[in-house]
Amino acid sequence: DADVTQTPRNRITKTGKRIMLECSQTKGHDRMYWYRQDPGLGLRLIYYSFDVKDINKGEISDGYSVSRQAQAKFSLSLESAIPNQTALYFCATSDPLSRNTQYFGPGTRLTVL
Amino acid sequence: QKEVEQNSGPLSVPEGAIASLNCTYSDRGSQSFFWYRQYSGKSPELIMSIYSNGDKEDGRFTAQLNKASQYVSLLIRDSQPSDSATYLCAVNILNSGNTPLVFGKGTRLSVIA
Repeated sequence: DADVTQTPRNRITKTGKRIMLECSQTKGHDRMYWYRQDPGLGLRLIYYSFDVKDINKGEISDGYSVSRQAQAKFSLSLESAIPNQTALYFCATSDPLSRNTQYFGPGTRLTVL
Repeated sequence: QKEVEQNSGPLSVPEGAIASLNCTYSDRGSQSFFWYRQYSGKSPELIMSIYSNGDKEDGRFTAQLNKASQYVSLLIRDSQPSDSATYLCAVNILNSGNTPLVFGKGTRLSVIA
């Protein structure tokens, strides 16, 4: 089984809809991250969490919110989706004892029409 | 603003040649350096990490770090068409406390058969 899983893997939705992307991990890491990737723009950090009670904004948090339900679960919500949120979204985890090496989930391809 | 810079490419090399990928970073406090490989539409996969000045070899891959010049490179020997992917450089700045990895935008490598 994969160590970091994301659901759904693909999603098509309409402008204005609320969307939740879920991430689960079995690596036992405290640190979890959400990124989006657009062609030519690289990975951009949306939110990150270093433990269940810690949530931090990344460079592009506007229009997104997160919930850290447990050590193993970190969800990303788009409260009112807009077309420029169409992108590939990745969840990642890391362990500070391994110098914050990050391990990525398989990604969610989100299309907002 | 902590930055990691990579040439976007594409870098084209013939099969069997050595591919050389370069990355520079802005923060002298950077301590840990990572190379990830990302196939189109897939998630980044860790291939090498390096923490000390010099070379680190793993199979056909060699990572090189020069902290004085603030660059890290990845050499791929005997390049294969299956090496065609985007390579992401990532840097961890431990001295600044708890911060996520900073990623470059990636270099696209094309190995021509």
